[in-house]
Amino acid sequence: DIQMTQSPSSLSASVGDRVTITCRASQTISDYLNWFQQKPGKAPNLLIYSTSKLQTGVPSRFIGSGSGTDFTLTINSLHPEDFATYYCQQTYNAPRTFGQGTKLEIK
Amino acid sequence: QVQLHQWGAGLLKPSETLSLTCAVYSESFSDHFWSWIRQSPGKGLEWLGEINHRGSTNYNPSLESRVSISLDTSTYHLSLKLSSVTAADTAVYYCASVGIAALDFDSWGQGTLVTVSS
Repeated sequence: DIQMTQSPSSLSASVGDRVTITCRASQTISDYLNWFQQKPGKAPNLLIYSTSKLQTGVPSRFIGSGSGTDFTLTINSLHPEDFATYYCQQTYNAPRTFGQGTKLEIK
Repeated sequence: QVQLHQWGAGLLKPSETLSLTCAVYSESFSDHFWSWIRQSPGKGLEWLGEINHRGSTNYNPSLESRVSISLDTSTYHLSLKLSSVTAADTAVYYCASVGIAALDFDSWGQGTLVTVSS
């Protein structure tokens, strides 16, 4: 199985800040990388697919980048609704494993 | 646009079989895989498996001996069965649609909490 390691596991920031979450795969996954946002009691919501493609309706302040084994999710100018938990997921092969999550909290 | 609505028994005893159903509303049924994911309380996400419109499946090896995913293309119902459940299988279970082209998990069901307790 491909292991996905996110860092940090938690992060405190303020409205208006820029934050970056990283995700590392245990082997190359090309650009088969998704990012999700999850709020308490809700299903995950797709933000970015194929490393850098913005899902329809997702604000442009969410930016994905990377390739191979190292990937990042950057959120420019945090809005109050962005405080949530973020997960990366590789879809290069099965099982389509997720990172352990990064909880973004208000400072 | 895909919509998913899921249901199933929420309380099981150890050794019973978990059974969940997900109704798929999609105008592009054959352009998607259909997947199940679960999330244990306070934990991360675990991919359980997937099926395409032809019935071909992939399962998580950690569960492969106990999990079964099926798809009824006449009713557009996706099903999950997990046998011999234990307390470790207590989780919120989600169905999700996966675009074949980009493997984007673009739509999710509302989730079903399944608790295993004697």
